[in-house]
Amino acid sequence: DAKTTQPPSMDCAEGRAANLPCNHSTISGNEYVYWYRQIHSQGPQYIIHGLKNNETNEMASLIITEDRKSSTLILPHATLRDTAVYYCIVRVARNNDMRFGAGTRLTVKP
Amino acid sequence: NAGVTQTPKFQVLKTGQSMTLQCAQDMNHNSMYWYRQDPGMGLRLIYYSASEGTTDKGEVPNGYNVSRLNKREFSLRLESAAPSQTSVYFCASSTPGGGTETQYFGPGTRLLVL
Repeated sequence: DAKTTQPPSMDCAEGRAANLPCNHSTISGNEYVYWYRQIHSQGPQYIIHGLKNNETNEMASLIITEDRKSSTLILPHATLRDTAVYYCIVRVARNNDMRFGAGTRLTVKP
Repeated sequence: NAGVTQTPKFQVLKTGQSMTLQCAQDMNHNSMYWYRQDPGMGLRLIYYSASEGTTDKGEVPNGYNVSRLNKREFSLRLESAAPSQTSVYFCASSTPGGGTETQYFGPGTRLLVL
């Protein structure tokens, strides 16, 4: 199973872009990269996912390198409400198992 | 549309007691999941149910049993609670998608075993 590596914590100024990196060097060709976040003690919230191409939705953008060994989640204009733990997950394709690591704790500061 | 609901929100048990955590979803999703989250750690999958009538073990199934009662409901039972099962339990549901489904999570049940 592919594993992910994320920095334990990051800070970002309010209104600036937050760029959260993730390494997944052993990802398989048919595995997707997912991003979730968990605000305080709430249930995780889906943000975005992708396979090869860059993806954008109303919450964020996902940039996946050409070799698919790493990706970056971009929150274009971070707000204080974006303070959360962000999880990068590579989905195990053979079942429904989503392996959450420790994630990156993003703190958006005024 | 309530999404994923969990009961109770908080529970205190003594070692050896049993209890059932309830989860229900109103999104007509086929798949449902139970996770646990220990302090400062990510979520770990306990059991999941890909469809009504089927259940499978996840990463940490020992000490738990599950029942997929119908398409809407998926319960998690602790037969003999242990302090090591003190955790926050999250239920989730998703639609099938061959690798692209999104999981939707409930608000969690906080369990303390003394």
